[in-house]
Amino acid sequence: AQSVSQHNHHVILSEAASLELGCNYSYGGTVNLFWYVQYPGQHLQLLLKYFSGDPLVKGIKGFEAEFIKSKFSFNLRKPSVQWSDTAEYFCAVKSNNDMRFGAGTRLTVKP
Amino acid sequence: NAGVTQTPKFQVLKTGQSMTLQCAQDMNHEYMSWYRQDPGMGLRLIHYSVGAGITDQGEVPNGYNVSRSTTEDFPLRLLSAAPSQTSVYFCASSKELAGIYNEQFFGPGTRLTVL
Repeated sequence: AQSVSQHNHHVILSEAASLELGCNYSYGGTVNLFWYVQYPGQHLQLLLKYFSGDPLVKGIKGFEAEFIKSKFSFNLRKPSVQWSDTAEYFCAVKSNNDMRFGAGTRLTVKP
Repeated sequence: NAGVTQTPKFQVLKTGQSMTLQCAQDMNHEYMSWYRQDPGMGLRLIHYSVGAGITDQGEVPNGYNVSRSTTEDFPLRLLSAAPSQTSVYFCASSKELAGIYNEQFFGPGTRLTVL
């Protein structure tokens, strides 16, 4: 079955630390890849997406992600996190009509 | 643009009751979908629609019905609520199903509790 795996359930960092959240998927064909963020009490918002072209994608708020096709991965990175980045982060993969989300990674940034 | 709107925001039902969760979008998006969000499971697709009059099942469709009579509206119906349907429900829409404009815009969610 097609699936999306996010390795970390809960990540706790101090401000200014670097962030990398893992995302792996099991789809075999052409995929579109997304990272969504859900701030406390809010709905999901798109951080960035990969459609085609340059595998290094830059999104809003200093986030970026790299699509590594050979590893079926789309890890999210940020060089220096802020307290306001505290949120839940979801990786999503779309193939044809099928859209699957990972279980999410909760990020807590300590001031 | 209001974007994607959902009503109600909160709802408590008793087992066996029926209800409809409303979803509307004013962006003229063809693709609409319903998800449920449960702790530790992310979002799971319930049903989706690629245009007015066309719906299909997602990953967890049992216990839910949908219809798409207009481009703007995509209601989700629970015919006989069960405690396992306690969840947060999100509606989403996108301009197209595939292609560069396939990113989804999400509504604010409906928190449903079934006793």
